[in-house]
Amino acid sequence: EAGVAQSPRYKIIEKRQSVAFWCNPISGHATLYWYQQILGQGPKLLIQFQNNGVVDDSQLPKDRFSAERLKGVDSTLKIQPAKLEDSAVYLCASSWELERQSELFFGEGSRLTVL
Amino acid sequence: DQQVKQNSPSLSVQEGRISILNCDYTNSMFDYFLWYKKYPAEGPTFLISISSIKDKNEDGRFTVFLNKSAKHLSLHIVPSQPGDSAVYFCAASAGGNTPLVFGKGTRLSVIA
Repeated sequence: EAGVAQSPRYKIIEKRQSVAFWCNPISGHATLYWYQQILGQGPKLLIQFQNNGVVDDSQLPKDRFSAERLKGVDSTLKIQPAKLEDSAVYLCASSWELERQSELFFGEGSRLTVL
Repeated sequence: DQQVKQNSPSLSVQEGRISILNCDYTNSMFDYFLWYKKYPAEGPTFLISISSIKDKNEDGRFTVFLNKSAKHLSLHIVPSQPGDSAVYFCAASAGGNTPLVFGKGTRLSVIA
């Protein structure tokens, strides 16, 4: 079974530039999550989708971050404009159902460095 | 305000001995707890979980203990192996579709 795919693995940009990350969840997984993991911290949820609808985006900085999940499969997370404090690993995860949070499958992450 | 706390950033254990990783939480609504393991340059992978109706759950070399009155859980690895060297995250959920809250992680080094 193929895992959660993310790209790019690494991205370096200057502040005020924009960046986009892509995620392809495990086939059949209805729920998709984007987490932000800052160095030395645990993952923090940014946004949670069930199929192509948003379940929770309360911790997403909406002035600069946006995410979409078209057709309930792939998802894109965008940051525009980036700030220095956005330097982090962005983890995408998926699961079969909303309530089975023990079965979160994570991708390898996209590491963002903002200079 | 950290709702899930892992107060030891790192732990070093000899191969064959027991590793004990600790986690404290503050939110009394949490009723489901999980441990994830993370190797460098990889995403976290699920290791073991425990529901608040239990005080112990065992899976091979891994056992999680939950003390609800103390709002404390611990992960025991016996015997520890070099391949267990990784960062371990404690996570908690208040059930339903509430998101997991993660601790900062503890880096375990198992020395051969």
